[in-house]
This record gives sequence, C-alpha cells and structure tokens, in this order.
Amino acid sequence: DGGITQSPKYLFRKEGQNVTLSCEQNLNHDAMYWYRQDPGQGLRLIYYSQIVNDFQKGDIAEGYSVSREKKESFPLTVTSAQKNPTAFYLCASSILGQTEAFFGQGTRLTVV
Amino acid sequence: KNEVEQSPQNLTAQEGEFITINCSYSVGISALHWLQQHPGGGIVSLFMLSSGKKKHGRLIATINIQEKHSSLHITASHPRDSAVYICAVRSASGSARQLTFGSGTQLTVLP
Repeated sequence: DGGITQSPKYLFRKEGQNVTLSCEQNLNHDAMYWYRQDPGQGLRLIYYSQIVNDFQKGDIAEGYSVSREKKESFPLTVTSAQKNPTAFYLCASSILGQTEAFFGQGTRLTVV
Repeated sequence: KNEVEQSPQNLTAQEGEFITINCSYSVGISALHWLQQHPGGGIVSLFMLSSGKKKHGRLIATINIQEKHSSLHITASHPRDSAVYICAVRSASGSARQLTFGSGTQLTVLP
C-alpha cells in the first residue's frame, strides 16, 4: 500500500543531542513537508521540499535541518540549537501544485 | 489574530447527537481541508472543499466562500468519532508552502 512512514513513533533524547526523524513515502510525490504540533496550536511548517536536492524554510526553521537526497525520503534533524524541541512532528507529502496532502503517523519527540 | 479560527476548542456530546464544528478564515483561499487526528497522532484527510457541500457517510462539510466560513457536521455521532478535527486552508496565492492550520477541535462522544 502507498503511504508515508514516519519512524520512530516515540523518541527520547537527552538535551544537547541532535536527533534525526525519518520520513519515507512511496506515493511518488514531489513535495514533502515537516510540521510541528504543540498542544493548543495549529500545525506549523518547519521545512518543505518541492524537488530533490532543494528545500525551503518554513515558519519555524530555526534549530532544524533537512535533506532531500532522494524523492522518497525527507529526514528532519532536530539540532541542539532548537530551544524547545519536545513536540509532535508530522511529515506530509503531496503532488506538486495540488492541495491534497497525505500525512504520516507522526513522531513524538521528548527531550529530557 | 490567527488566519484560521476554529470553534469550539473542546466539545463533548452524547452518542447519537448531531455535532457541528466551525472554521473561519481571514484570507482568500483556493481550498479548505477538514482533517481528523486520532489519539495516536496520525492525521487523515476527511474532505477538501472549494465550494458548496460534500457528504461522506455521516460526515457533511459545507463552505461559504463569501463569508469565509466552513462547517463540519457529524450526524448520529458515535464514540469512535472522538478525535481532534482540524481545519486547514490553502491560500489563493497558490504558495507551495501548503496549508495553514487551525488549532483543532477536540471532540469526545460519550456512550
């Protein structure tokens, strides 16, 4: 079945460590997105990519980095520079130019 | 002021009740989504609207472009409908930045 896979579902890290969240899709979508969700707030865009080897900052990119070496994969690294990294992270993809978006199941990151 | 406002924030209903969740937005849009997020966190798309009304099973979504308002209705609600319902809009400017999200409505349906 086609879809988006995020792993792991839960992740714990010590403060000061970088951590990478995985997002893989087999939908042949050009566009991929990373969102952050905090309690009581709407999803906020971290980074997005429309094509391999290219990506753009979203609204809250500080403290995060991404890569897009393959069409299927768009990993997100939460760096030690991110001041408040504990959150729920969602990956999405879509056909470029279309509104329909498909979401992964999310990764809940807890930094202790 | 957020571009997308949902009401209510929290809603508790008895099984069988008719439920309405509202979404107001302040920008011109090309499409509006209603999404459902279950306790595990995964999100599924329920509807995408650009005008009028759509129905799927017990769910009905309407949009009034002139009033910049959309509603999601659930008829004959059931405990399995308990979830967070999220409204999201895509700006008419067609930005590739995708969607702007409301903060969600937590729905709890009691048996």
